Amino acid sequence: QEQLVESGGGVVQPGTSLRLSCAASGFTFASSSMDWVRQAPGKGLQWVAYISHDGGIKSYDDSVTGRFTLFRDNSKNTMFLEINSVRLEDSAIYYCTRDGEGGSLDFWGQGALVTVSS
Amino acid sequence: SYVLTQPPSVSVAPGQTARISCGGINIGRKSVSWYQQRPGQAPILVIYYHGGRPSGIPERFSGSNSGNTASLTIIRVEAGDEADYYCQVWDTDSAHRVFGGGTKLTVL
Repeated sequence: QEQLVESGGGVVQPGTSLRLSCAASGFTFASSSMDWVRQAPGKGLQWVAYISHDGGIKSYDDSVTGRFTLFRDNSKNTMFLEINSVRLEDSAIYYCTRDGEGGSLDFWGQGALVTVSS
Repeated sequence: SYVLTQPPSVSVAPGQTARISCGGINIGRKSVSWYQQRPGQAPILVIYYHGGRPSGIPERFSGSNSGNTASLTIIRVEAGDEADYYCQVWDTDSAHRVFGGGTKLTVL
């Protein structure tokens, strides 16, 4: 059974750093491109970043470029999102997703809540 | 950057047909995906590529795409279809994934 489990969320202070993890199981992680999508409280979905199956290609939304770093460890079936210089506007649920056909996101984790507060 | 425009809300009576639009420049040349998000839950994919439906998604859900508008159509709407719906494309020019603002479907 396919599973994506996010961890690493919590309450953090502005200006600090945090690392989100996404543990995958039930499918061939090393063959799958992956994304992070976030959703601020009461708001819509916002794409954050993409990483190819081997980690060789990465793409970031303009709003996070330079502060967010996406990487993966295929030997551990895990993807990571490092967030530096956290801002109040980074408060959101962060979803780990798997890329499907035609540019879709065919499987989503349950999300990790990040709350930025001083 | 590429922009997708959705109506904020759509209302429909049970048993009727709901249509949710997603506007974008030449979106008909792109592959459009649609997601359903029920309150308090993670989104799920309901339509992908050229109208494909993932396993478990009822045939009542269908997608179309032409010109500057893509649409999600739900026939014989049920109370359980009440949710937020998002369209999404991959913008090859920017290598960015783009979501529409979302449409809240209310079943009267």
